[in-house]
Amino acid sequence: NAGVMQNPRHLVRRRGQEARLRCSPMKGHSHVYWYRQLPEEGLKFMVYLQKENIIDESGMPKERFSAEFPKEGPSILRIQQVVRGDSAAYFCASSPTGSAEQYFGPGTRLTVT
Amino acid sequence: GQQLNQSPQSMFIQEGEDVSMNCTSSSIFNTWLWYKQDPGEGPVLLIALYKAGELTSNGRLTAQFGITRKDSFLNISASIPSDVGIYFCAGFAGGTSYGKLTFGQGTILTVHP
Repeated sequence: NAGVMQNPRHLVRRRGQEARLRCSPMKGHSHVYWYRQLPEEGLKFMVYLQKENIIDESGMPKERFSAEFPKEGPSILRIQQVVRGDSAAYFCASSPTGSAEQYFGPGTRLTVT
Repeated sequence: GQQLNQSPQSMFIQEGEDVSMNCTSSSIFNTWLWYKQDPGEGPVLLIALYKAGELTSNGRLTAQFGITRKDSFLNISASIPSDVGIYFCAGFAGGTSYGKLTFGQGTILTVHP
C-alpha cells in the first residue's frame, strides 16, 4: 500500500513567484489536511479538505494561499507571490472517514530566495 | 487558540534507559495521538488514544490518555539508538466529526549507545 505522496520534496522559488505543492492521499482516504512546520517547531494546521470541498480553512493565511482537492487528481496547496517567510516544510496528511488518525506524507521543503 | 505544552523539550539518555514525556493542555481534548518524526521526514503515527484513562501499548511504547482529558503521557522502555528523533503529541478537540490536529512543540530524544 502506498502511503501519502507529496511532490516535489524540495522546491526553491524566488520572491514573487508561485509555489504549487501536490499531495496524493493514501488509497481509500477521502480526507486531506495540510500543515506547515517551521524549523524546531511543531506542525501548525492550515486547511482540511474533502473531495471538491474545503471543510476548515481556519489556519490558512487570508491572502496568497489557497488549497483544492478536485474530484480527480491530487490535492494542491498554492502559494502566490511567495515571500521569505513562506520558507518552511509543508506536510500533507490523509485519513479515512470517521477516523482521527492522520497519516503524513514526507513533506515539501519550500525555500524562498 | 488551543495549545499543547509538551515536556521535556529535549532528553539525552543512555541506551537501555526508559523515557517519559508528557503533554498538557488548558482545554479538553477528545483524542490524543503520538507521532515520531525523523530528520527530513514526515511524522509517523505511533499510538492513538480515544478514551479518558485509556492505556495503550505498541511494542516498547506505552501511552496514556489522562483522566482529566487535558493531558497525555508517552513512555518508551529500554531505549535503543533508533528511538532517536522528535516525538510530538497531537490532540483533537472537536465534537462529532474529526478535523484539525493541534500539535505540541515536540520532545527531541537523543540516545547514547
